[in-house]
Formats: sequence, C-alpha cells, structure tokens
Amino acid sequence: GAVVSQHPSRVICKSGTSVKIECRSLDFQATTMFWYRQFPKQSLMLMATSNEGSKATYEQGVEKDKFLINHASLTLSTLTVTSAHPEDSSFYICSARAPDRGHGGAFFGQGTRLTVV
Amino acid sequence: AQSVTQPDIHITVSEGASLELRCNYSYGATPYLFWYVQSPGQGLQLLLKYFSGDTLVQGIKGFEAEFKRSQSSFNLRKPSVHWSDAAEYFCAVGSGGGADGLTFGKGTHLIIQP
Repeated sequence: GAVVSQHPSRVICKSGTSVKIECRSLDFQATTMFWYRQFPKQSLMLMATSNEGSKATYEQGVEKDKFLINHASLTLSTLTVTSAHPEDSSFYICSARAPDRGHGGAFFGQGTRLTVV
Repeated sequence: AQSVTQPDIHITVSEGASLELRCNYSYGATPYLFWYVQSPGQGLQLLLKYFSGDTLVQGIKGFEAEFKRSQSSFNLRKPSVHWSDAAEYFCAVGSGGGADGLTFGKGTHLIIQP
C-alpha cells in the first residue's frame, strides 16, 4: 500500500513558539492532503483540506491564521501551529490522496503528538 | 450534514470469541464507508472499505463488514479475535470522489480478555 510519512512523531514546545509538522507521500503524488486533529480518547476531526498549489480550505471553527497549511509540492504538505498554547496540545494526523488510487479514503500518516508546555 | 455513530464506546471480548462493532451513518448521497484501526499513539490503518457492489466486504486481519442500506449500517465483524486486536476502531464515511475529508465516528475501544 501507499506510504505516508509524518514528521516529527512527537514534539514538545514552549508556549508562544511555532511548530511545523510535515506530511509526505513517499510513493505517490498526492493532489489532496487532509489534516486532522484528535483529542485524547476522542475521534478525528477534519481541520483542513489542502490541494497542491492552492490555498487550504479550513473547516468551520479552525483558525487559518493559527494553523498554517502549505502544500507546495505533490508529495509534501506542512502544518505550522503558530504561537502555540497548551490548548493546542493534541495528536495531529495527516492523510494523502492520489486520484489514481481509487475512490474515496486516503492513506494516513502515523501522527504527531504535540505537547505545548 | 454527514455523521457517523458508533454506539459502543468500549467493548470487551474474550480471546477467541466473535466480535461485532456497530456503525451507523447519515449521508446524503451514496456513502463510501471505511473502517480503520488505531493502536495507542499510532496513526490509522485501513481495515476495509465499501464503495459499491457486494455488500459484504472482506478486509485485512480477518475482518469483514456488511453494508446494509436499509439500516444505514456498516458493522465490522471478526469470527475469532486475537489479543493483538485490542485497539481503537473507527468507522468513517466520505464522498466518492475523495475530494473531501472523512467524517469519523467517535471510535470503539476494544478490550480483549484472556
């Protein structure tokens, strides 16, 4: 199956700093990537959809100025959490979709555990 | 708006026993349905998916799921669970084109008793 790599797997940062998370599709070109957030013992909530070369589409309630998404190439999307605060601590998971891989769904990265102290 | 309901937050099953995890969905068009498994601190692994055709879908690790349109359900089953099946299971629904992200249920935590 297709491989999606997410980096880092864990990060601890100080309140007020910014953190960048990378999502790479290793063996396919991902025209669309999705970013999800998962609070402890809860489900995944879609934050935003990014298409290569265009601006990301954010879900209602997600601050686009706080969660900056860049999808500059067909194999890389980045999520930057700006001016992070403890309430941003969460598990962030990306997924990548390739149009030639069939309908629906996507392949998921292994997630990034962000802890803001 | 689309939604997914997994009515069981926790399920405990003895090793070797059969398993059924429930999933109900609400979707305006033809649903594309998925089951994922997540081990602690890990990402998601796709178990199986349904797009069309045979309503009984076979997946990896011996799992299967049955799509029942009349009941808006897509329950996951396994005839005999193993201790390694202990994990969090998520049901999800999405659009056929895949242009939109998935909507997930809240998950069911599976506990395996020896």
